[in-house]
Amino acid sequence: AQSVTQLDSHVSVSEGTPVLLRCNYSSSYSPSLFWYVQHPNKGLQLLLKYTSAATLVKGINGFEAEFKKSETSFHLTKPSAHMSDAAEYFCVVSVGSGGGADGLTFGKGTHLIIQP
Amino acid sequence: DAGITQSPRHKVTETGTPVTLRCHQTENHRYMYWYRQDPGHGLRLIHYSYGVKDTDKGEVSDGYSVSRSKTEDFLLTLESATSSQTSVYFCAISESKGQSSGANVLTFGAGSRLTVL
Repeated sequence: AQSVTQLDSHVSVSEGTPVLLRCNYSSSYSPSLFWYVQHPNKGLQLLLKYTSAATLVKGINGFEAEFKKSETSFHLTKPSAHMSDAAEYFCVVSVGSGGGADGLTFGKGTHLIIQP
Repeated sequence: DAGITQSPRHKVTETGTPVTLRCHQTENHRYMYWYRQDPGHGLRLIHYSYGVKDTDKGEVSDGYSVSRSKTEDFLLTLESATSSQTSVYFCAISESKGQSSGANVLTFGAGSRLTVL
């Protein structure tokens, strides 16, 4: 079985300061991990993915995430927040099969608020 | 949301009426999914399809049925809508599954907001 926990339902930062969105996972197999972003009234968009290559993954819009197997974590970071980063962020784990019917398990989301 | 469109984008209906949501893709991707999004629950899988006429249930399939008669179209039907089915419904597509580098990457539609009164 697999699961994913996003440790914060809401995160508020000031514009220009670093962003940290935390995600822990559990999986019996080597997972693939994803971060998606959802802007208001939009569908989800892939930010980045980890699929057993480099543990530090760079994504779009200056975001990156580090896979830490020993900590079962895949936290999302950005050095400097921009107002346009305000959105909902989802961490997703996949083992290709098992878990959910399609092998994907979504976290419940973290709402990122950017203060001017 | 290039390559994937959902219709209708908004719908208000009454309890007990049938509702069909349509997902259309132009990417020729094999896998198609229907999710619902509710506050505090994230995204939950309703049904998915791995080919024409090949579908399977997800986590929250009760009260929903699906059909896929063509690669490009995946329909979600609520036979008799209930207030608990008020939600935002997302269609997603993916090219492949498994452990290859491009596997399981989902492309989402813009969503269909359904209100059941």
